[in-house]
Amino acid sequence: SQKIEQNSEALNIQEGKTATLTCNYTNYSPAYLQWYRQDPGRGPVFLLLIRENEKEKRKERLKVTFDTTLKQSLFHITASQPADSATYLCAFPSYSSASKIIFGSGTRLSIRP
Amino acid sequence: NAGVTQTPKFRILKIGQSMTLQCTQDMNHNYMYWYRQDPGMGLKLIYYSVGAGITDKGEVPNGYNVSRSTTEDFPLRLELAAPSQTSVYFCASSTGTGAEQYFGPGTRLTVT
Repeated sequence: SQKIEQNSEALNIQEGKTATLTCNYTNYSPAYLQWYRQDPGRGPVFLLLIRENEKEKRKERLKVTFDTTLKQSLFHITASQPADSATYLCAFPSYSSASKIIFGSGTRLSIRP
Repeated sequence: NAGVTQTPKFRILKIGQSMTLQCTQDMNHNYMYWYRQDPGMGLKLIYYSVGAGITDKGEVPNGYNVSRSTTEDFPLRLELAAPSQTSVYFCASSTGTGAEQYFGPGTRLTVT
C-alpha cells in the first residue's frame, strides 16, 4: 500500500535561515501533493498544491518542489521567522480513490530568534 | 462565512456510551471529510463524502458511522465508545478532487 513519510524529528532553525522539510512517498505516484500548516490546538491550514507536471511552486517565502523520480517533495521557507514555527503536513490523494486524501505525520518546525 | 464549524469542542465519554460529533459548512462544498489525529501523529481519514447522500470509508472507519443528508452537514456517530477512540477529531470540506481542504477547529474527545 502507499506510504507517506515526513521527518519524524522536530526541526530547529535559526531565524533568517532557510528551513527545508521533506515528504517522501512509496508505492505510488500521486497526481499532486498538498502542504498544510497546523498550529497547536487548531485545524490544518492549506498552503500550497503542486502537480506532478510542475517541478516547483512558489508563494511569497514558501517554495515547494516535486521530484517524481525521487518520489519526494521538499518544502522550503526562506528567511524564516519565529512566527513560522508550527507543524507542517504533506498530503496526497490515495491510489484507490482520488477523493481520499492521505496525510503524513507532519514535521514540527521551531524557529529560534 | 463561518467556514467549517464543529460541536462540541470538548467531550468526555464513558466506555460504551455513544455520541454524535456535528460538522457544518456554509461554503456550499460538495466534499466533506472526517479525520482523527492522535497526539504527535498526522491525520487519519475516517469517512468522506463527495455529495449529499454519498459516503465512503477512509483508512480507519471501524467504530464510526456517518450520514450526509444535506450539503451543509456531515455528522460523525460513535457507537459504543472505546478508549482507543480518544483523539482529536477534525472535519473538513473542499470543492472537489485536488482542491484545498478547509478544516474546522476540532473536537477533543476523551473516552474513559
